[in-house]
Amino acid sequence: RKEVEQDPGPFNVPEGATVAFNCTYSNSASQSFFWYRQDCRKEPKLLMSVYSSGNEDGRFTAQLNRASQYISLLIRDSKLSDSATYLCVVNWSGGSYIPTFGRGTSLIVHP
Amino acid sequence: DAGVIQSPRHEVTEMGQEVTLRCKPISGHDYLFWYRQTMMRGLELLIYFNNNVPIDDSGMPEDRFSAKMPNASFSTLKIQPSEPRDSAVYFCASSFAQGNSNQPQHFGDGTRLSIL
Repeated sequence: RKEVEQDPGPFNVPEGATVAFNCTYSNSASQSFFWYRQDCRKEPKLLMSVYSSGNEDGRFTAQLNRASQYISLLIRDSKLSDSATYLCVVNWSGGSYIPTFGRGTSLIVHP
Repeated sequence: DAGVIQSPRHEVTEMGQEVTLRCKPISGHDYLFWYRQTMMRGLELLIYFNNNVPIDDSGMPEDRFSAKMPNASFSTLKIQPSEPRDSAVYFCASSFAQGNSNQPQHFGDGTRLSIL
């Protein structure tokens, strides 16, 4: 099975800080990429898609680097409510659609 | 809009019993996924369906696990007989394909399964 790797953390940052996570994937035949957020004892929820040109949604910026096979998520001006686990998802192409989740990166934002 | 609906939310049962988890995907979605999540192993894809047909069941742990999708609006995941190591949160998710791109998955609330 194809691999998606994330640093589990936890990343422990103060409010207002900027924090970035990376996610590496092993197969270049990948089709689409997403970041999910999962709160404790809750289901994963879509945070944002990741487009080839990079995309931004408020304080969140996602980027894709196909040459180096990684995606990144940047969070600016961290809020306490950003504390969660962030999961990256890579969908493989090539005749079979297999979504693969990373193990997630834990973020703790403290006052 | 109704999201993915799973039932039951919680299930506690004794080992050896049959467990049936249910899922109703979002209307119009043609992909349905079953996942299992534990602290040790993270989120694992068990099986997924496309247009009600199982496409990849390589993540199903063993023969005690089976999944069906009799129609576009309903799927079940069965464990028979259940064992304590099956205790986990089981998520169902659905999505659709748009052109050559697979859209993101939407998850249900999950079923917390405890096998005593």
